[in-house]
Amino acid sequence: DVVMTQSPLSLPVTLGQPASISCRSSQSLAHSDGNTYLNWFQQRPGQSPRRLIYKVSNRDSGVPDRFSGSGSGTDFTLKIDRVEAEDVGVYYCMQGTHWLYTFGQGTKLEIK
Amino acid sequence: EVQLLESGGGLVQPGGSLRLSCAASGFTFSNYVMTWVRQVPEKGLEYVSTITASGGDTYYAESVKGRFTISRDNSKNMLSLQLNSLRADDAAIYYCAKGGPSSSREGPDYWGQGTLVTVSS
Repeated sequence: DVVMTQSPLSLPVTLGQPASISCRSSQSLAHSDGNTYLNWFQQRPGQSPRRLIYKVSNRDSGVPDRFSGSGSGTDFTLKIDRVEAEDVGVYYCMQGTHWLYTFGQGTKLEIK
Repeated sequence: EVQLLESGGGLVQPGGSLRLSCAASGFTFSNYVMTWVRQVPEKGLEYVSTITASGGDTYYAESVKGRFTISRDNSKNMLSLQLNSLRADDAAIYYCAKGGPSSSREGPDYWGQGTLVTVSS
């Protein structure tokens, strides 16, 4: 299975400051169909996961534009321009290129 | 509004069985791939099983292959997961999740609230 490795695992951030989460895969996530299936999810405390970004950089409807995704191959990043209180939670990357689809171990974002 | 409502979780002894159900509404159920994802409380997420829109193809994590069976009834907008030969490491919150029209490669865009499975004697 493709191993997804996130860093950092814990991310204390001051309100209004930027945040960045790295996600690395053990194999390239470039699919033969031309897409790269790297997706990002947010899980707020006590809630189900919510998809934020799909195929590296496409934001879901309703996701604030302070969230952005980038990367290629095996190296990907989720950035939050200015962290707000509602961003507290755990963030997961997920690859959909190779079955069994796999998630990273999660990055817990908290407010300093 | 898309809604996914799981049921069927509970306490079961090791070696026992359970059937999870997911009632879907707010979208044309028969047009979408559906998936079960599980999460040990306070731990990470794990894909369990996926089924194509028609139900013709199913996919499983190696850890559950031969023990779990995914199925769907498109006439009733229902997704199911039969869990047999349960082990302690199957204990988790099981989420029903909606994929895309032809695959779930982009990850689930809607998730249910989850149903808790506890395996203990």
